Amino acid sequence: EDQVTQSPEALRLQEGESSSLNCSYTVSGLRGLFWYRQDPGKGPEFLFTLYSAGEEKEKERLKATLTKKESFLHITAPKPEDSATYLCAVPGDSGGYQKVTFGTGTKLQVIP
Amino acid sequence: DTAVSQTPKYLVTQMGNDKSIKCEQNLGHDTMYWYKQDSKKFLKIMFSYNNKELIINETVPNRFSPKSPDKAHLNLHINSLELGDSAVYFCASSQASLAYEQYFGPGTRLTVT
Repeated sequence: EDQVTQSPEALRLQEGESSSLNCSYTVSGLRGLFWYRQDPGKGPEFLFTLYSAGEEKEKERLKATLTKKESFLHITAPKPEDSATYLCAVPGDSGGYQKVTFGTGTKLQVIP
Repeated sequence: DTAVSQTPKYLVTQMGNDKSIKCEQNLGHDTMYWYKQDSKKFLKIMFSYNNKELIINETVPNRFSPKSPDKAHLNLHINSLELGDSAVYFCASSQASLAYEQYFGPGTRLTVT
């Protein structure tokens, strides 16, 4: 069964203090990895899709990278509005991309 | 313009009752989903419908029954509610060709007492 593990569970940063979140996975054949952001009391919001090792995607202060075993979400000079839970996910072995397995997330808090 | 909407946002009910949660999307997507997020924030897929056809049915009790009257709506009916059903339920939608890019509703917090 697909496993997605995220670390750390929680991360507290000062505004402007860059850091990285980790997502490691065990799947039989990786067909993509997705990052979502979830604000308190809201549904997850899609951020990125990465398809192959070496691929990178950027959005504002966020940069997602992918290796054969893990993905990193780098946050450069974060702002308080970046505070959220960040979820990574992979598609299941069957059912196409519709069946997505989510990690338990990293709760990021950025302090002014 | 709400893309994916759910009603109600909060639902408090007693054990043994039957309740429904409604979901509507105005994005023109052909695939809709129900997820359950437990107290530990773990998000797990329950069902998926494509063009009103059930395509994913994870191992959930058969007290949970989804219904899709059309492509824009996916409702979730729960019979004989139990304490363990307390969670936040999210509806989502996507295009089948871009199924990883899912748009989520605001969630329905179900509390069973």
